[in-house]
Amino acid sequence: AQSVTQLGSHVSVSEGALVLLRCNYSSSVPPYLFWYVQYPNQGLQLLLKYTSAATLVKGINGFEAEFKKSETSFHLTKPSAHMSDAAEYFCAVTPNQAGTALIFGKGTTLSVSS
Amino acid sequence: DTGVSQDPRHKITKRGQNVTFRCDPISEHNRLYWYRQTLGQGPEFLTYFQNEAQLEKSRLLSDRFSAERPKGSFSTLEIQRTEQGDSAMYLCASSSDRGSYGYTFGSGTRLTVV
Repeated sequence: AQSVTQLGSHVSVSEGALVLLRCNYSSSVPPYLFWYVQYPNQGLQLLLKYTSAATLVKGINGFEAEFKKSETSFHLTKPSAHMSDAAEYFCAVTPNQAGTALIFGKGTTLSVSS
Repeated sequence: DTGVSQDPRHKITKRGQNVTFRCDPISEHNRLYWYRQTLGQGPEFLTYFQNEAQLEKSRLLSDRFSAERPKGSFSTLEIQRTEQGDSAMYLCASSSDRGSYGYTFGSGTRLTVV
């Protein structure tokens, strides 16, 4: 079975600082991995996805993530935080089979201070 | 393409009443998913349709919950005899079995059972 662990339920950074949100996965088969962002009272917006192509994935809004099979990790980074990045971030996994539902982590709340 | 639409955005109901939510997926997407998200948690998978066929149901989907997708387009999620524990955000997502592997989420329906 697949599962996702997001380390740190809350991360605080200063504007302009590096953002690092951690995600470790468990999967018995090669996974597809996703990062989503959620603003208050809204649905989830896809930031980026790994689907077995390049291990370094670039997404929207300057975010990127690196798939490390040896560490079973898919951490999300952004070199310089912006106030508008403050939101809830979810890592998700699915086996690379068409149609299988996403399994989400519990989420990490990112706060950005000026 | 107007994205995934969910209706209503908010629903307040009294305990014991029935409620029904609607989801309109992206028109060319043949897969549709329902998730439930409670405060401070990641979305939890409820059920999945491919076209009109309901292919997977979570153990979270008790017998008070029923979902349909009669013509392979829009879907409805009904909760009978609502309980306070049903209060949550109900999210719908759709995807395609062709092209890039991605899920698009709607803005959700927030249910409050009083």
